[in-house]
Amino acid sequence: DTGVSQNPRHKITKRGQNVTFRCDPISEHNRLYWYRQTLGQGPEFLTYFQNEAQLEKSRLLSDRFSAERPKGSFSTLEIQRTEQGDSAMYLCASSLAWGLAVYEQYFGPGTRLTVT
Amino acid sequence: GDSVTQMEGPVTLSEEAFLTINCTYTATGYPSLFWYVQYPGEGLQLLLKATKADDKGSNKGFEATYRKETTSFHLEKGSVQVSDSAVYFCASNTGTASKLTFGTGTRLQVTL
Repeated sequence: DTGVSQNPRHKITKRGQNVTFRCDPISEHNRLYWYRQTLGQGPEFLTYFQNEAQLEKSRLLSDRFSAERPKGSFSTLEIQRTEQGDSAMYLCASSLAWGLAVYEQYFGPGTRLTVT
Repeated sequence: GDSVTQMEGPVTLSEEAFLTINCTYTATGYPSLFWYVQYPGEGLQLLLKATKADDKGSNKGFEATYRKETTSFHLEKGSVQVSDSAVYFCASNTGTASKLTFGTGTRLQVTL
């Protein structure tokens, strides 16, 4: 069991550039979540997928943000025209959902984004 | 919407001291409750959970009881160790999305 992996672990970019992060969930998990964590705060929900379908997006997810999970396995989160306020840790989590039961979420190590 | 409030840190304790970190929640429906821990330089790890009222979650000497009447899920440990130094997050989830709502985290520092 390799756990949830995220790449890159760190990203420094200049304001206005586009960035893309990747998350590889635990292989048998059909749910995938994205959260954002700023310094001194708890993670905040951004969006989630069940298989390849994106089922909910937070209002935190502005039009500059887009997420995909094209084959129901790995997911990407893209931020266009980055702003300094986008600087944060971006966390991915996965879980198994079966019928009405949803099991605990396992988190990856995160991607730390710094926008200069 | 749902929210989780936990005591602010940092909490500094001597080794073998008793630990309590308070957590209260507001939620529509009947949430499941969780404590996650983040050790320095590592990702979030699930520490324990409780899925219904009066359930007690426990792991590694830590315990928390789901109290519906006080909407609380306080984390306790009878004797902390230096290795318990970390940031602890209380969280809830509800609904079919099961998205987690986190508190702001409480940093615990245990000294010899």
